[in-house]
Amino acid sequence: AQKVTQAQTEISVVEKEDVTLDCVYETRDTTYYLFWYKQPPSGELVFLIRRNSFDEQNEISGRYSWNFQKSTSSFNFTITASQVVDSAVYFCALSGSNSGTYKYIFGTGTRLKVLA
Amino acid sequence: GAGVSQSPSNKVTEKGKDVELRCDPISGHTALYWYRQSLGQGLEFLIYFQGNSAPDKSGLPSDRFSAERTGGSVSTLTIQRTQQEDSAVYLCASSPRPGQGAYGYTFGSGTRLTVV
Repeated sequence: AQKVTQAQTEISVVEKEDVTLDCVYETRDTTYYLFWYKQPPSGELVFLIRRNSFDEQNEISGRYSWNFQKSTSSFNFTITASQVVDSAVYFCALSGSNSGTYKYIFGTGTRLKVLA
Repeated sequence: GAGVSQSPSNKVTEKGKDVELRCDPISGHTALYWYRQSLGQGLEFLIYFQGNSAPDKSGLPSDRFSAERTGGSVSTLTIQRTQQEDSAVYLCASSPRPGQGAYGYTFGSGTRLTVV
């Protein structure tokens, strides 16, 4: 079975603080994909990043960085120098080659509040 | 259009009534997906349309739920005899080609359904 766990329901930080959002996944697929999406108050989900199971290189995009570790089945997301505009719900998701890469398994999301 | 468009954005209905939710995918996107986001829950896969192939309906929670996609473009999700547990945000997404789920979808802003 596939599962995504985001244990942090809500996090509050003060602007300019760094914050890490945790994501732990379970899958038996050897080929799988991991994603992060941002859901601002407007409601639409915004794609942030995709990682495939064969690529454990960490990724940095501006203030965002992602740490993929297969050994701990984790795909954590760090925002450096957080800003108020980062306030949103962040979802981690998983799709596997055996169940169909179109069928995402989402975590329950982490609500990030960045206070000015 | 420029993005995935969903209508209505909000719908309040009485228990037992039927509702129709509409999704206009990005022009040219052949794959279309419906997800449901219940309060405090992650997103739950409902159905996947891939071009002219038979859809994957494995996520539909009951036979009260159905969906169609006409002309390979607009999709309608129908919920018959609505129940209070159907209250959720229904999100539609599309991607350029089948199997593009591995590359991330483009989501609409969703329809918030409230059954009273």
